[in-house]
Amino acid sequence: DTAVSQTPKYLVTQMGNDKSIKCEQNLGHDTMYWYKQDSKKFLKIMFSYNNKELIINETVPNRFSPKSPDKAHLNLHINSLELGDSAVYFCASSQGDRTDTQYFGPGTRLTVL
Amino acid sequence: QKEVEQNSGPLSVPEGAIASLNCTYSDRGSQSFFWYRQYSGKSPELIMSIYSNGDKEDGRFTAQLNKASQYVSLLIRDSQPSDSATYLCAVRYLVRRVNTGKLIFGQGTTLQVKP
Repeated sequence: DTAVSQTPKYLVTQMGNDKSIKCEQNLGHDTMYWYKQDSKKFLKIMFSYNNKELIINETVPNRFSPKSPDKAHLNLHINSLELGDSAVYFCASSQGDRTDTQYFGPGTRLTVL
Repeated sequence: QKEVEQNSGPLSVPEGAIASLNCTYSDRGSQSFFWYRQYSGKSPELIMSIYSNGDKEDGRFTAQLNKASQYVSLLIRDSQPSDSATYLCAVRYLVRRVNTGKLIFGQGTTLQVKP
């Protein structure tokens, strides 16, 4: 069974379009995250949700809107895509406690043309 | 600004040697430290976590933490070509206003183990 899954794996789109990435975890974790990994492999947190509540928003443009319908799902919607949004987006989940072991999804490679 | 610094490498070692990966962090209050391995085109995978000063061993991996020097390291003994990957150091920072933590990652060190 896949612990953290994301769809789609690849996403190629034109500038200005709106797209969504979906994430689901079956680990029973309370906390979920979105990370962006740029071309230099730098992995940076974007958002964190705990039990459907947004708890961390790291100065991400408001074109990015996370949505958590329940604690097992965290989706990312991106409006008006720009070239600089091209990256790999990873979803992750954890118990959110001090040990905070985060389990990552397989990633979604977004390419904006 | 919370920072985690790593040498991006590449670090090249011969098969069977010890690979030493280093990481420094800026916040003295940090309590939790992690090493993730990331193969090209794959997602990060946790290999070690450490919370107390000293060494923690798990198989061929040893994590070392020195909070006074704000320094974390990862030693890989008997390095194998399959260890070739990018190693990401991560530090958990407490976000007090929401009483939760977030991981700040270093830029990663690329390790190449040559047969």
